[in-house]
Amino acid sequence: QVQLQESGPGLVKPSETLSLTCTVSGDSISSFYWSWLRQPPGKGLEWIGYIYYSGYTNYSPSLKSRATISLDTSKNQFSLKLSSVTAADTAVYYCARTPYSRSTRFDPWGQGTLVTVSS
Amino acid sequence: DIQMTQSPSSLSASIGDRVTITCRASQNISSYLNWYQHKPGKAPKLLIYAASTLQSGVPSRFTGSGSGTDFTLTISSLHPEDFATYYYCQQSYNTPYTFGQGTKLEIK
Repeated sequence: QVQLQESGPGLVKPSETLSLTCTVSGDSISSFYWSWLRQPPGKGLEWIGYIYYSGYTNYSPSLKSRATISLDTSKNQFSLKLSSVTAADTAVYYCARTPYSRSTRFDPWGQGTLVTVSS
Repeated sequence: DIQMTQSPSSLSASIGDRVTITCRASQNISSYLNWYQHKPGKAPKLLIYAASTLQSGVPSRFTGSGSGTDFTLTISSLHPEDFATYYYCQQSYNTPYTFGQGTKLEIK
C-alpha cells in the first residue's frame, strides 16, 4: 500500500522560502509523476506542479516563477521549495502520486501539512 | 485556465437518499474529469477517474457520468460515512489542473 507523508516547518516568515518534503513508502519514486497541491484556509484545492522520475517538471503558471520541485531517489522522496512567500501562501500543502494514464489524477494523497506564513 | 463549477455548493440529505452533484467545465474536456472525497483533516480520496471509472476499493454506490462540459457524481444510497465531507471535481484535460470549488454534504 502506497503511503505519502509531508514534512517541513509549519511556520515560515514572509519573503523567505518554504521547504517541504514528501516521503513515499510502498512504491518506488522512479515511476509515476509526483505532485504538490495546496488548499488555503476556506478556499479550494490548487495544483502547484509535478515531477517525473526523469526530472521533468511542470508547474502551474501562477506559481512557476517561485516553485521548484525536485527528487531524491536515494531516499524515495520529492520536495517543494516556494520562494518569496507571503501570507497568501498560507495553506495546507499536500503531496500526491500522479498516475498519468487516461486521466491524470492524484492518488493517493498525503495527510497534508499546514504551513503558516507569518512574522 | 479551465474553470470548473460545481453545484450545489452544499447539500443536506438523509441516510439512504440518492444525491447528485454536478460539475461544469468552461470548455470541452472530453472525459478528463476526476472526482474526490475529502473529509476535513484527512487526505483527499480519489473516487472516480476518467469521468466514469470507479477507483479500486471505492464502493459501487458512487457513479460518475458525463463528457464534454457537463459531469455528474451520483451517490445511490447515502451511508453515514458519506456525510460531513466535501466532494471535488478536477479536470485533467490540460495544465494547470483545476478543481471545482467543492460540494459539502451534510446530514439532514
